[in-house]
Amino acid sequence: GIQVEQSPPDLILQEGANSTLRCNFSDSVNNLQWFHQNPWGQLINLFYIPSGTKQNGRLSATTVATERYSLLYISSSQTTDSGVYFCAVPQGGSEKLVFGKGTKLTVNP
Amino acid sequence: DSGVTQTPKHLITATGQRVTLRCSPRSGDLSVYWYQQSLDQGLQFLIQYYNGEERAKGNILERFSAQQFPDLHSELNLSSLELGDSALYFCASSALGLAGGPPDTQYFGPGTRLTVL
Repeated sequence: GIQVEQSPPDLILQEGANSTLRCNFSDSVNNLQWFHQNPWGQLINLFYIPSGTKQNGRLSATTVATERYSLLYISSSQTTDSGVYFCAVPQGGSEKLVFGKGTKLTVNP
Repeated sequence: DSGVTQTPKHLITATGQRVTLRCSPRSGDLSVYWYQQSLDQGLQFLIQYYNGEERAKGNILERFSAQQFPDLHSELNLSSLELGDSALYFCASSALGLAGGPPDTQYFGPGTRLTVL
């Protein structure tokens, strides 16, 4: 099945710093979602981005489907950005999502 | 708030027991998905229902079963529980996608944290 790899696995930032999280996937996809899992365990939708670039406040995402990767940018990070960021893609033409292992982000004040 | 509700939030039970987790999808969504998040396996797809019918199966144990009712809520039944079943169980829902089109966005509920002692 499709493989999803995220990097880096851990990231520690000072408040106000910018960061880039990467998601590589092993096969072509027609959908990609980014999620933020907060310290309370909730999975929050960030982006649905099969291709192109989207922005939402301090967050933006770019997916280059032909090269099988997606990037999540976080600018001017805040302590509330801490948590684990997951990307997920559908398995082989189905709707079942395959998740990466996540990037654990810690933003220190 | 995603619009997907799950109950209970927490569940503590003993090995060998049976529990039922409940999920109500977003209004209008026909598809319901169940995922398990454990420390060693990460987030894994278990099963999908679409308008009452099973649509896809993932790494779901035979001790686990699910169903989707006519009002579209879903239940995940876990039986003969083992210590290793302790995990966060998520339900997600999505709308009907265009035939042959890309999958719709999946919206996740807050999860049920199951602890098996």
